[in-house]
Amino acid sequence: EAGVTQFPSHSVIEKGQTVTLRCDPISGHDNLYWYRRVMGKEIKFLLHFVKESKQDESGMPNNRFLAERTGGTYSTLKVQPAELEDSGVYFCASSRTSYGETQYFGPGTRLLVL
Amino acid sequence: GDSVTQMEGPVTLSEEAFLTINCTYTATGYPSLFWYVQYPGEGLQLLLKATKADDKGSNKGFEATYRKETTSFHLEKGSVQVSDSAVYFCALGHAGKSTFGDGTTLTVKP
Repeated sequence: EAGVTQFPSHSVIEKGQTVTLRCDPISGHDNLYWYRRVMGKEIKFLLHFVKESKQDESGMPNNRFLAERTGGTYSTLKVQPAELEDSGVYFCASSRTSYGETQYFGPGTRLLVL
Repeated sequence: GDSVTQMEGPVTLSEEAFLTINCTYTATGYPSLFWYVQYPGEGLQLLLKATKADDKGSNKGFEATYRKETTSFHLEKGSVQVSDSAVYFCALGHAGKSTFGDGTTLTVKP
């Protein structure tokens, strides 16, 4: 089966611009997660969808970040307006169930805000 | 809240050397524990996992044992190869999300 895919693989934008990241989870996985790794630090949780509902968005840094998962399939993460500190690698993961099950990660989107 | 503390890197070893990367955690309840690996230019891959105390996860010659008494999940390999050069992340899964350590960069020289 196909793994988690993310688009784009890289994005370079200027401060103040908008960027939209996309994640396609493994087919049949109701749970979708967004994480990011900033400045080579730890990978931090952003939010968790169960189907189209936000189960936990406690990790979203501020209201410049908006995540959606219309129809419970793919998800988008929009950053508007982007700031320098948003640079990092954004990972998406999916799993069939929520608790204790392995999350399968995508290759990540490398975002650089200049 | 949950946290993971991972041995600081970078770590540089010669081929066939023994590897240990320490990982300790703090969590309420009974988390699952994972090691992920990120090879250069690639995404995160699950290396191994353990879901309860005293479980041993193993894969590709790597091993880690879930030690509840010491809240640890140290990664070991008896003989590393150049192809093991990568970033290794320890993580715990609890309440529907994963908490990661900072990552340890391993470089294996021939």
